[in-house]
Amino acid sequence: DGGITQSPKYLFRKEGQNVTLSCEQNLNHDAMYWYRQDPGQGLRLIYYSQIVNDFQKGDIAEGYSVSREKKESFPLTVTSAQKNPTAFYLCASSMWAKPNTEAFFGQGTRLTVV
Amino acid sequence: AQSVTQPDIHITVSEGASLELRCNYSYGATPYLFWYVQSPGQGLQLLLKYFSGDTLVQGIKGFEAEFKRSQSSFNLRKPSVHWSDAAEFFCAVGTANTGNQFYFGTGTSLTVIP
Repeated sequence: DGGITQSPKYLFRKEGQNVTLSCEQNLNHDAMYWYRQDPGQGLRLIYYSQIVNDFQKGDIAEGYSVSREKKESFPLTVTSAQKNPTAFYLCASSMWAKPNTEAFFGQGTRLTVV
Repeated sequence: AQSVTQPDIHITVSEGASLELRCNYSYGATPYLFWYVQSPGQGLQLLLKYFSGDTLVQGIKGFEAEFKRSQSSFNLRKPSVHWSDAAEFFCAVGTANTGNQFYFGTGTSLTVIP
């Protein structure tokens, strides 16, 4: 079945460490997105990518980095510069060239800084 | 700028009662509108979407939504709520002017009382 796979489901990180969240999709979608979810704040866009080797900052990109070396993969690195990284992270994808289409979501990764 | 407002942070209804979740959007052009549902610790699942045509759209799980351009609203309804409907609901607007981006409301948490 086609879909988006995020791993791991739970992740613990010590302060000062970088950590990478994985996101893979087999929907053949051009666009991929990373959102951060905190209680009461909805989903906030971190980064998005329209095509391979290209990505754009979203509303809260500081302290995060991404890469898009393959169409199927869009990993997110939470760096030590991110002051409050504990959150639920959601990856999504859509067909970029077709505006009237929805975003499909992975099951999320919960990151906790210990 | 695009924005989505969900004025109700939390709603409690009795099982079998009707439900209406409010959503207002701000967008200069014709919006693409979505409702998603999220169970605790899970990703987002699409309930329904509106792109054009009939302003009353049917979705999964017995949900429906009505697009009212004059009120900039896209309220979600269900005639009779089941205990399994308890979840977080997000309204979103998609834009076509700069590729396919999505803007989410802050969500409405639904509690269903037996």
